[in-house]
This record gives sequence, structure tokens and C-alpha cells, in this order.
Amino acid sequence: AQSVSQHNHHVILSEAASLELGCNYSYGGTVNLFWYVQYPGQHLQLLLKYFSGDPLVKGIKGFEAEFIKSKFSFNLRKPSVQWSDTAEYFCAVNAQTGANNLFFGTGTRLTVIP
Amino acid sequence: DAGITQSPRHKVTETGTPVTLRCHQTENHRYMYWYRQDPGHGLRLIHYSYGVKDTDKGEVSDGYSVSRSKTEDFLLTLESATSSQTSVYFCAATTAPNTEAFFGQGTRLTVV
Repeated sequence: AQSVSQHNHHVILSEAASLELGCNYSYGGTVNLFWYVQYPGQHLQLLLKYFSGDPLVKGIKGFEAEFIKSKFSFNLRKPSVQWSDTAEYFCAVNAQTGANNLFFGTGTRLTVIP
Repeated sequence: DAGITQSPRHKVTETGTPVTLRCHQTENHRYMYWYRQDPGHGLRLIHYSYGVKDTDKGEVSDGYSVSRSKTEDFLLTLESATSSQTSVYFCAATTAPNTEAFFGQGTRLTVV
């Protein structure tokens, strides 16, 4: 079965600091990888996704993520965070073949201090 | 919001009563999902549908049932609500296998 681990539960940063949120998954086959963001009181929105090709993917609002297959990781990065990035971030994985279940990590809450 | 509407948005119900949550989509997505979101657990899949009248269980399906009689509607029923089912419920939909999921605004359910 697939699973997703996000080891950072709550991250607190000052504005302009750099961000890296960890995501590791377990699955033996080929996967699709996603990062979703949930701003306070809102639904989940897609930040970026990786299906194939260049393992460094760029998303909205200056976010990027790198897929490292050998480490089963898909870490999210942003060089300089803003107060408006305060939100909860979820990594998600599904298999490219077979069942279409989308598995989520437990989420990382990011608080950016002005 | 990619055309996904959940109703009601908030509900308080008593233990033991049945509750139905509705997810309505306007984009003709084939696949639809119900998740619950709880602190420390992220989103957990309850049930999903891969077409009209085709549904399957997710990882936390006990106490829940679903129905999909039309492409646009996916109903989640709590047969006899319990306090452990107090949660925020999200509906999601995708157009094809293994693609981006679009989410509804969520339903906050409180079972007292």
C-alpha cells in the first residue's frame, strides 16, 4: 500500500526566509506526485505536480519541488516566503497505474511571521 | 473552485441520526472522492467513485456509504452518526485516472 510521510508538522519562519518542506512516499511503482495548499478556512488547491520528465517542477506563487526517485522524496521549496504563504501544505501521491486512490500526508502547517 | 459544490457547508446532528452530505460537480469529472480531514491525520479517503453506480471503499469507510446515480452527484451517508465522525469532509473530483484533483469547499460536521 502507498503511504506518504511529512515529518515537519509545524514550521515557523520569518518573512524572506527560505522554505523546504519534506515529503517521502512509499510505493514500488511509478507515481504521480502533488503538493496542495490549504489557506485558512479554504479548500485545497494545487500548488504543483509531477507526472514525468524534468524532476524539478515549478508551481504557482514561486514554489518548486524536486522529485528524487532514489530517495522516494518530493520536497517543496520556496526561496523567500511571504506572510501570505501561511497555510497548511499537503503532499499527495497516487500510482500511475491501477487504483486511482490519492494518498495524502498528514500536512505541514506553515506560519510566516511578518 | 472548478465547479464543485458541497452541501450543507455546516451541520450539527445528534448521535444515532443518519446524515447525508452532497457533492455536486458541473465539469463532467468521471472520478469523485470523499475525504475526511482531521488534525494530525491529514486527509483520509472514505469512498470513491469511478463512474455512475461504480464505487469502492477507501481507508476509513466503516460507518459510511455512498451513492452515485448521476455523473454530477456523489452522496455520502453516515448511517448512524457517532461523535468520532465529527470532522471536516471534502469532496474531490478528477477528469481521468491519476490527474489533478479539484476540491469542494468542505462540510464541517459536528455530531453531538
